[in-house]
Amino acid sequence: DIQMTQTPSSMPASLGERVTISCRASQGISNYLNWYQQKPDGTIKPLIYYTSNLQSGVPSRFSGSGSGTDYSLTISSLEPEDFAMYYCQQYDSSPNTFGAGTKLELK
Amino acid sequence: EVKLVESGGGLVQPGRSLKLSCAASGFSFNDYWMGWVRQAPGKGLEWIGEINQDSSTINYTPSLKDKFTISRDNAQNTLYLQMSKLGSEDTAIYYCARPQITIAAIFYWYFDFWGPGTMVTVSS
Repeated sequence: DIQMTQTPSSMPASLGERVTISCRASQGISNYLNWYQQKPDGTIKPLIYYTSNLQSGVPSRFSGSGSGTDYSLTISSLEPEDFAMYYCQQYDSSPNTFGAGTKLELK
Repeated sequence: EVKLVESGGGLVQPGRSLKLSCAASGFSFNDYWMGWVRQAPGKGLEWIGEINQDSSTINYTPSLKDKFTISRDNAQNTLYLQMSKLGSEDTAIYYCARPQITIAAIFYWYFDFWGPGTMVTVSS
């Protein structure tokens, strides 16, 4: 299985701050990388698919980039509703695997 | 509006079986692959498996292949997860999710809709 290492595991940040979450795959995944957001009530929604494509309805302050084994999710200016858990997911090979998550917390 | 609602969770004794359901609405269920993901308390997401439109292809994460069975009833717009030989490690929230798959010049695969989840607790 491809291992996905997400860093940091938690990140205190302030409103309006720019933050970046990283995800490293144990082998190259050819940009087959998605990002999801999970709210404290458990609700999960997609943010970014295929490395950098913004899911419909997701604010443009979210962006994704990367290649090979290294990928990142950036939020350009944090809003109150962005404090949540974030997960990356690879779909280059089965089984699809998720990172362990990054908790974005209000500083 | 796409809606996925899981049911069937609860408290179950170790070694027993349990069958979860996911009722789908708001889209043409038989046109889509469907999948299951779980999340143990305080842990991350774990992909369980997926099933294609006519149930001819079912993929599982290897560690769960002998314990879990995914099926669907397109006439009832319902996805199922049959779980057997349950242990404490199976305690989790179980999510039903719909993959959005595009196979063209670029291959897209991601879960675009998720249910709220159903909690399964394995304990004596």
